[in-house]
Amino acid sequence: AQSVTQLDSQVPVFEEAPVELRCNYSSSVSVYLFWYVQYPNQGLQLLLKYLSGSTLVKGINGFEAEFNKSQTSFHLRKPSVHISDTAEYFCAVSEGNAGNNRKLIWGLGTSLAVNP
Amino acid sequence: DTGVSQDPRHKITKRGQNVTFRCDPISEHNRLYWYRQTLGQGPEFLTYFQNEAQLEKSRLLSDRFSAERPKGSFSTLEIQRTEQGDSAMYLCASSWDREGNIQYFGAGTRLSVL
Repeated sequence: AQSVTQLDSQVPVFEEAPVELRCNYSSSVSVYLFWYVQYPNQGLQLLLKYLSGSTLVKGINGFEAEFNKSQTSFHLRKPSVHISDTAEYFCAVSEGNAGNNRKLIWGLGTSLAVNP
Repeated sequence: DTGVSQDPRHKITKRGQNVTFRCDPISEHNRLYWYRQTLGQGPEFLTYFQNEAQLEKSRLLSDRFSAERPKGSFSTLEIQRTEQGDSAMYLCASSWDREGNIQYFGAGTRLSVL
């Protein structure tokens, strides 16, 4: 069965510092990988996705992530964060080749707090 | 493109009452998903439609829950005889086959059962 582990529940960081939010997954088949962001009292917004091709994917708001198949990881990075990046970040996976239901399996989330 | 729309945004109800939520997906999307999210947790899959067919239901979805997508467009999620444990954010997402299942989410319906 698929599972997603977000290794840090909370990440405090100062403004303009770099940040990495870690995500590991387990799956026996090929996967699609996603990072979503959730601002308070709002829905989930897609940050970036890995479907195939280049293992380094770039998303919105200056975020990027690298798919590492051997380490089953998909860590999210940003070289310089802003106060406005304060939010909850979720890593999710769906099976790429299995049937029609590509439901997302989610991590528990990482709360990013950017301090001035 | 108006995005995924959910209604209502907030619902407060008394235990034992029935509630119904609506989701309008992005118009060309054939897949529709319902998830539930409780405080401090990631979303959990509830059910999935491809067009009008409900193809999978999670074991989380008790008999008190029912979902429909009658014409393959909007969907409704009904909870009968609500319990306090049903209090959560209910999220709807839609996608279509050509995008590798990139799911776009609505803003959610927050249910509070008193």
